[in-house]
Amino acid sequence: AQTVTQSQPEMSVQEAETVTLSCTYDTSENNYYLFWYKQPPSRQMILVIRQEAYKQQNATENRFSVNFQKAAKSFSLKISDSQLGDTAMYFCAFMNYQLIWGAGTKLIIKP
Amino acid sequence: DGGITQSPKYLFRKEGQNVTLSCEQNLNHDAMYWYRQDPGQGLRLIYYSQIVNDFQKGDIAEGYSVSREKKESFPLTVTSAQKNPTAFYLCASTWGSGTGELFFGEGSRLTVL
Repeated sequence: AQTVTQSQPEMSVQEAETVTLSCTYDTSENNYYLFWYKQPPSRQMILVIRQEAYKQQNATENRFSVNFQKAAKSFSLKISDSQLGDTAMYFCAFMNYQLIWGAGTKLIIKP
Repeated sequence: DGGITQSPKYLFRKEGQNVTLSCEQNLNHDAMYWYRQDPGQGLRLIYYSQIVNDFQKGDIAEGYSVSREKKESFPLTVTSAQKNPTAFYLCASTWGSGTGELFFGEGSRLTVL
C-alpha cells in the first residue's frame, strides 16, 4: 500500500528563521507527483509546491523549496525567511492514480 | 473570479437527520472530490467524481451519498447512517488529467448536537 508519513506533528520557529518539514512516502511506482499543501487557520487549503518524480531538479517557489530524494523516498519542504503568515498546517501528498495524504505538520512562526 | 464555493460554512444537525453540503465550482474542472478532515489526521476521501453522472466511493464512503448531475456541482449528503458525522468537510476539484493539483473550497464544519 502507498503511504505518506510526516513525522513531525508540530514545529515552531522564530520569524525569519529557516525551517524544514519532513515527508517520506512508500511506493513501488516510478512515475508520480508529490505536493506540499498549506492550510492556514482560515482553513482553505492551497498548493505550495509540486514536484514531478521524473524531474531531478528540486522545485522552488520563492521562499519555498523542496529536497526530493527519490531513492530514499523523501520529500522535505524548506521554508526560508519564515513569516508570521506561514503559520499553518502543512500536508505532504503523493499522487499516482490517487492522492494519498500525510497526517500534517502544524507549523507555528513566532514573532 | 473562478473558484470553489462550499455552503454552508457551519451547520448543526440533530441526530437522525440527513444534511446536504453544497459544492459548486466554475473552474470548468472535470473531477471533484469530497474529503473529511478530523483533528490530527490527514484528509480522508469520501467520494470522487471524474465525469458527470459518475462517481466512485473513496476510503470512508459509508453513511454518505453524492450526486453529479452537473459538471459544476457535487453535493454531499451526510445521512443518519454516518455514526460520527461531526467533522470538517472539504470539497476540491481539478482537471481530469490526474496531475493531482487540487483546488479547494473553504470547507464546511458540521456539528451533530
